[in-house]
Amino acid sequence: DQQVKQNSPSLSVQEGRISILNCDYTNSMFDYFLWYKKYPAEGPTFLISISSIKDKNEDGRFTVFLNKSAKHLSLHIVPSQPGDSAVYFCAAITQAGTALIFGKGTTLSVSS
Amino acid sequence: DAGVTQSPTHLIKTRGQQVTLRCSPKSGHDTVSWYQQALGQGPQFIFQYYEEEERQRGNFPDRFSGHQFPNYSSELNVNALLLGDSALYLCASSFGGPALEQFFGPGTRLTVL
Repeated sequence: DQQVKQNSPSLSVQEGRISILNCDYTNSMFDYFLWYKKYPAEGPTFLISISSIKDKNEDGRFTVFLNKSAKHLSLHIVPSQPGDSAVYFCAAITQAGTALIFGKGTTLSVSS
Repeated sequence: DAGVTQSPTHLIKTRGQQVTLRCSPKSGHDTVSWYQQALGQGPQFIFQYYEEEERQRGNFPDRFSGHQFPNYSSELNVNALLLGDSALYLCASSFGGPALEQFFGPGTRLTVL
C-alpha cells in the first residue's frame, strides 16, 4: 500500500508560467516531507523540504505548501524554466526513521 | 569534493546469478542507504548501514544483503537473481545515522535476462 502518492505522471507547462506538482500521503506519523528532482542518468537531487509543523517553505523559485488536515502537499515553481524539466519525486520520513518513502514521481516538461 | 560514486554504471546478468554493487559515500559521510528504483516507480528503501552494521531494513528478501567497510564504502549483494530484480539501484549517503538529508549517487542499472 503506497504511503506517498503522486497521482499525476506528467505535467507540461510553458516557460515563465507556474508549475504545480501535487503529492498525497496516508501516514500521519511523517515528520518531514521532501522534494527531489531527477535528471536522466543522474541520482535524485534534494530540492526543498518542509517540517510537518509548518505549512509553507520557500526557497527562491520553489515553494512547498503542506495541508496536514488533507494530508496533501504541493510544490510550486515560479517562474518555470526549461531547465526545470525533470522527474520530481515527493518523499516523506519520520523523525526517528531512516528510510525515505518516495512517490512514483511526476515528469515535468517546460517548453520555451 | 567528490559526491557519491557507484560502480559499475551498467550490469547485465542472467537469472540465478549473483551480483555485487559498490558505493562510495560523499566525503565526510559515514552512513549509506540503498534504494531500488524499478521502471516507472519511485525509489524503494532496501537497507541502511551505519557503523558497519545494518541499522534498518525495508521489505526486501534475504537474497539482498550488504556490507559496510571501515572506510564507510558499501556493497549491495543480490543472490539468485530474478527477472524482477532488474532496476536502477541507488546509493545515498548521509552523516551520523538516520538523517533527513541524503545525497544520492547516479545509480547502477542492473538488467537480469
